[in-house]
Amino acid sequence: AQSVTQLGSHVSVSEGALVLLRCNYSSSVPPYLFWYVQYPNQGLQLLLKYTSAATLVKGINGFEAEFKKSETSFHLTKPSAHMSDAAEYFCAVLSGGSNYKLTFGKGTLLTVNP
Amino acid sequence: GAGVSQTPSNKVTEKGKYVELRCDPISGHTALYWYRQSLGQGPEFLIYFQGTGAADDSGLPNDRFFAVRPEGSVSTLKIQRTERGDSAVYLCASSFGQGDTQYFGPGTRLTVL
Repeated sequence: AQSVTQLGSHVSVSEGALVLLRCNYSSSVPPYLFWYVQYPNQGLQLLLKYTSAATLVKGINGFEAEFKKSETSFHLTKPSAHMSDAAEYFCAVLSGGSNYKLTFGKGTLLTVNP
Repeated sequence: GAGVSQTPSNKVTEKGKYVELRCDPISGHTALYWYRQSLGQGPEFLIYFQGTGAADDSGLPNDRFFAVRPEGSVSTLKIQRTERGDSAVYLCASSFGQGDTQYFGPGTRLTVL
């Protein structure tokens, strides 16, 4: 069975600083990996996804993530944080064993300080 | 185009009551999913529909929960004899087909008093 671990339930950065949100997964088969963002009182919005093409994936709003098989990681980064990036971020895995059931991490709340 | 919509956005009910939560998927999406998000947790899978049939309902917590999708479009999640532990945000998602990107609705926040 697949699982997702997000290290750090809360990350705080200053505006303009690097954003790094960590995600590690376990999967018995090559996974599809996703990052979703959830703004207050809104649904989940897809930021980016990895589907076994390029290991460095670029998403919306300047975010990107790198798939590292050797580390079973899919960390999310953004070079310069904006106030509007404040939200909760979820990493999710869609394993080949079940190509419809997303398994989510517990989420990381990102706050951006002026 | 229109995204996934869910109604109501908020539902407050009393313990023991029956509730129905509605999901309108993106037009043309054949796959539909329900997830439940408890406070401080990530969403957890409940049920997956391909067309009109429930292809996987293994995430439904017990037989008080039931979902239908009679015409392969709109889906209704039904909860009987609600309990306080059912309080959560219920999210619906849809995709073109199995394995495609899932697009989520805004959710229904259910509060059981």
